[in-house]
Amino acid sequence: DAKTTQPPSMDCAEGRAANLPCNHSTISGNEYVYWYRQIHSQGPQYIIHGLKNNETNEMASLIITEDRKSSTLILPHATLRDTAVYYCIVRGTTGTASKLTFGTGTRLQVTL
Amino acid sequence: EAGVTQSPTHLIKTRGQQATLRCSPISGHTSVYWYQQALGLGLQFLLWYDEGEERNRGNFPPRFSGRQFPNYSSELNVNALELEDSALYLCASSPRGEKLFFGSGTQLSVL
Repeated sequence: DAKTTQPPSMDCAEGRAANLPCNHSTISGNEYVYWYRQIHSQGPQYIIHGLKNNETNEMASLIITEDRKSSTLILPHATLRDTAVYYCIVRGTTGTASKLTFGTGTRLQVTL
Repeated sequence: EAGVTQSPTHLIKTRGQQATLRCSPISGHTSVYWYQQALGLGLQFLLWYDEGEERNRGNFPPRFSGRQFPNYSSELNVNALELEDSALYLCASSPRGEKLFFGSGTQLSVL
């Protein structure tokens, strides 16, 4: 699986957009970008994933660059409950023997 | 729909003992993943089971082992416990390699 690089921490004011970057320069053509978050050492929660097109769901938007070497997770209106560690991972298509490695993620602190 | 359930929630053992952790995946999910998360660290991949077989394993010693049962539930065994095995052990299930759904974990403390 391709490795990812994320900043260790970020701050965001409540109500503002939180933009979390991720570099995955060694991503291969069949690998998806997935985002998860982990709150208070609970089990990580799936947020969103994409292959090459931008994606949006009720939680967030995912912007993937045209060369697919980086992506940005956008929380459009961050709240205090979005304070968590956010993990960006890449993995192959269904059936690949993936170790699905999580890095150390970005610790997002949302403040008043 | 019930989520991924793990038991026990907390487990306290002493050095040299064996620990058994259990995981029940979401109904219909055939893949189960195990991760170790030491305090303040990221998730370290342990094992991946699918359709009853071990598909991949992380860089852990052989005393970490497991299995997946015909009903797709899974068990993680840690033999000869060491102090550094103290961690949160997370199980996740997946419908054949798609997004993962995590349980709340088992907090293992080795004294």
